[in-house]
Amino acid sequence: QVQLQESGPGLVKPSETLSLTCTVSGDSISSYYWSWIRQPPGKGLEWIGYIYYSGSTNYNPSLKSRVTISVDTSKNEFSLKLSSVTAADTAVYYCARLRGRYFYYMDVWGKGTTVTVSS
Amino acid sequence: QLVLTQSPSASASLGASVKLTCTLSSGHSSYAIAWHQQQPEKGPRYLMKLNSDGSHNKGDGIPDRFSGSSSGAERYLTISSLQSEDEADYYCQTWDTGLAVFGGGTKLTVL
Repeated sequence: QVQLQESGPGLVKPSETLSLTCTVSGDSISSYYWSWIRQPPGKGLEWIGYIYYSGSTNYNPSLKSRVTISVDTSKNEFSLKLSSVTAADTAVYYCARLRGRYFYYMDVWGKGTTVTVSS
Repeated sequence: QLVLTQSPSASASLGASVKLTCTLSSGHSSYAIAWHQQQPEKGPRYLMKLNSDGSHNKGDGIPDRFSGSSSGAERYLTISSLQSEDEADYYCQTWDTGLAVFGGGTKLTVL
C-alpha cells in the first residue's frame, strides 16, 4: 500500500526559502504524477503544483514565481521549494499522488507537515 | 475561470442521511470532480471520483454509505446512516487545463 511522508523544517524565517520533501513508499515514483497542496490555519485547501517523474511540472499561477518542484527517482521522493516566504505561507503542507488521464485527482495523501513562517 | 462552490456548513442527525453539493461554474457542467474528506486534525482522504453522468469510483475502504450523483453542473455526495466519525470537512476538487481547483469545503456537523 502506497504511503507518503512529508518532512522538512517546521520553522522558516521570513524572506527565506521553505524546503520540503515527500518520500514515497510502497510504489514507484516513476508511475504517476505527484502534487503539493497546502492549508493555512483554519482555511481550505490550496493546490501548489505537480511533477511527473520525467521532471515536467505545472504550478498554481498565484505561486508560480516562487515555487519549484523537483523529483529524485533514485530516492523515490519529490521536493518542494518556496522562496521569499512570508507569514501568509504558514500552513500545513501535504503531498499527494495524482491519478487519472485527462482529469486528475489526489487518491493518496500524506499526513501533512506544519510550516510556520516567523522570525 | 473554473470555480467550485460549496456551502460552508451542513448538519444532520446521527443515523440520518445528508447530501452535500458542489456546483461547477458556468460552462463547466461536463467536468468530473473528486470528493475528499478531512476529519478534525487529520489530513484529507480521497473518497471518490464523480463523473458528470453520476458514475463514480470510490477509494479503497470507503464504506457503501458514501455515494455520489450528478445533475447538470451540480455534483453531490450523499452520506447515509451518519456516524459520529463522518463529522468532517468535505472538499470537492476538479482539474482544468493542467491545474487543480478545490472548492471552499463544507463543514459537516453530526448532531
